[in-house]
Amino acid sequence: NAGVTQTPKFRILKIGQSMTLQCAQDMNHNYMYWYRQDPGMGLKLIYYSVGAGITDKGEVPNGYNVSRSTTEDFPLRLELAAPSQTSVYFCASSSSGGTGELFFGEGSRLTVL
Amino acid sequence: KQEVTQIPAALSVPEGENLVLNCSFTDSAIYNLQWFRQDPGKGLTSLLLIQSSQREQTSGRLNASLDKSSGRSTLYIAASQPGDSATYLCAVTTGANSKLTFGKGITLSVRP
Repeated sequence: NAGVTQTPKFRILKIGQSMTLQCAQDMNHNYMYWYRQDPGMGLKLIYYSVGAGITDKGEVPNGYNVSRSTTEDFPLRLELAAPSQTSVYFCASSSSGGTGELFFGEGSRLTVL
Repeated sequence: KQEVTQIPAALSVPEGENLVLNCSFTDSAIYNLQWFRQDPGKGLTSLLLIQSSQREQTSGRLNASLDKSSGRSTLYIAASQPGDSATYLCAVTTGANSKLTFGKGITLSVRP
């Protein structure tokens, strides 16, 4: 059972570089989320999507962009990477948004130097 | 704005002890509350999901309760084992777009 798959698992970027974190789920979930987790700070919502073609900002969207062209994929784009974006990024999905169980990927650890 | 608090940040207990992890939230208008487990370097795994109309949920040695009116939830772990060592996070779902707000987690260490 694949569930939620994130790639890459680890990445080092230089300041100003750009990259895309990939997220795919095989559970036919409509709701997908991107979180970042910083030590001692808990998880913060970056962007979320309630279905293909529909995305919205979360709590900390600055410096990021997303797209949702299919139900399965929800990539997160980092433009002009900054040291403040050093974090662990988690993608999650749910079948029914607020009432459903949330399934997480294994995370992508990003370091910006 | 919803805020979720988990205190203490860390807890160490001897194997076999029954223990309670606490979670409090400021806005009682929630859709549900979830407890998650996170092992070091891993993602979050959902342990229990309590809908707003429910009072508790049980899974094996775990029991989670919810008191919406007081803004509290507890996760009860019976007969703790070293394998229970992990960080436990609670999260509540609120708002028109059903977004989750997470606590910072409690790091549990069960000593053999």
